[in-house]
Amino acid sequence: KAGVTQTPRYLIKTRGQQVTLSCSPISGHRSVSWYQQTPGQGLQFLFEYFSETQRNKGNFPGRFSGRQFSNSRSEMNVSTLELGDSALYLCASSLELTGLSTEAFFGQGTRLTVV
Amino acid sequence: DAKTTQPNSMESNEEEPVHLPCNHSTISGTDYIHWYRQLPSQGPEYVIHGLTSNVNNRMASLAIAEDRKSSTLILHRATLRDAAVYYCILRVRSNSGYALNFGKGTSLLVTP
Repeated sequence: KAGVTQTPRYLIKTRGQQVTLSCSPISGHRSVSWYQQTPGQGLQFLFEYFSETQRNKGNFPGRFSGRQFSNSRSEMNVSTLELGDSALYLCASSLELTGLSTEAFFGQGTRLTVV
Repeated sequence: DAKTTQPNSMESNEEEPVHLPCNHSTISGTDYIHWYRQLPSQGPEYVIHGLTSNVNNRMASLAIAEDRKSSTLILHRATLRDAAVYYCILRVRSNSGYALNFGKGTSLLVTP
């Protein structure tokens, strides 16, 4: 079956712009989580959506937001981009909520560069 | 919140077994122990998870201490393709629920 698909794979944006990243989970999975990965901070949890509702949220400013559609596809939006937002953004899908008994499947990520 | 401690790096010879340790002394009774790995330029990949008993799958084995304060991921025969960062993960409480706390992980180098 198809894995987790993230689009686009690479993106270059200018400071102050906004960006939207997309994640299509594995069919039947209702949970989608988003992570930011940077060399300095490692993998950090952004938020999780389950059945169209945000269930968990990490310690990121309000410029980072997301949503989930009825088909479980999810989008993440970052407004007023800063240089420090340059990172690999990963999404993961799972049958149940993160960290319970089921495994999470990660996409290849979207590499965002802010200039 | 439960936290994990792993060595920054380990090295192994190809076709030798590898034991990757993880300490999680503050684990709660209901927390699953998850292991993921991340190969260069890829997203993390699930390896194994367990609660109390030792677990085996086609990729690895997970040995969990009786008091659950530590665990060991065992790769029975390391290959060059096993070179990756290995993360031992517990759930941690975030602002409004739970999240997987990846930490820094152990960078495994496999030499021929």
